[in-house]
Amino acid sequence: DTAVSQTPKYLVTQMGNDKSIKCEQNLGHDTMYWYKQDSKKFLKIMFSYNNKELIINETVPNRFSPKSPDKAHLNLHINSLELGDSAVYFCASSQGVDGYEQYFGPGTRLTVT
Amino acid sequence: EDQVTQSPEALRLQEGESSSLNCSYTVSGLRGLFWYRQDPGKGPEFLFTLYSAGEEKEKERLKATLTKKESFLHITAPKPEDSATYLCAVLGPNTDKLIFGTGTRLQVFP
Repeated sequence: DTAVSQTPKYLVTQMGNDKSIKCEQNLGHDTMYWYKQDSKKFLKIMFSYNNKELIINETVPNRFSPKSPDKAHLNLHINSLELGDSAVYFCASSQGVDGYEQYFGPGTRLTVT
Repeated sequence: EDQVTQSPEALRLQEGESSSLNCSYTVSGLRGLFWYRQDPGKGPEFLFTLYSAGEEKEKERLKATLTKKESFLHITAPKPEDSATYLCAVLGPNTDKLIFGTGTRLQVFP
């Protein structure tokens, strides 16, 4: 059984387009996260939601908008894509807001051309 | 600002050659230090959580230790399947977010 899943796995798009990445977890966790991993493998948190409520909102451009329709889903919508948005985006989940034992999805490799 | 530094950046070992990975942190009031393993093309996989200086955790060939300034991930008699990037992350006192280091890329050759 897949614990944290993301779609799509790969996303290639042109500058200026709008795209979404979807994440689902079946672990029964109440907290979900979006991370960005750059080309140097540095993993940085973008957002976190606890019970559909936004908890962490790091300094990311307003073009990035997370949406959590329920505890098991956290989607990421990106408007007006830029070259610098190219990265691997990971979704993760945990039980509680203290970040303990976060379980990560397989990642979505976004390439903006 | 909370910071995490991992060394070395890359490590090449012969199978069976034990070694250690280092994670240094500057966090006042550490609430937890986490080790993750990341295989190419995959998401990080949780390994250990350490909460206080002196604590140790073990899993197969891996042992994680914690002091007030750093953590070590000791790898005893590694096998090629231990090859991966090992990430360290810390949780500070006034935040709910993990701060990750840039990782150590470990390659174990037969």
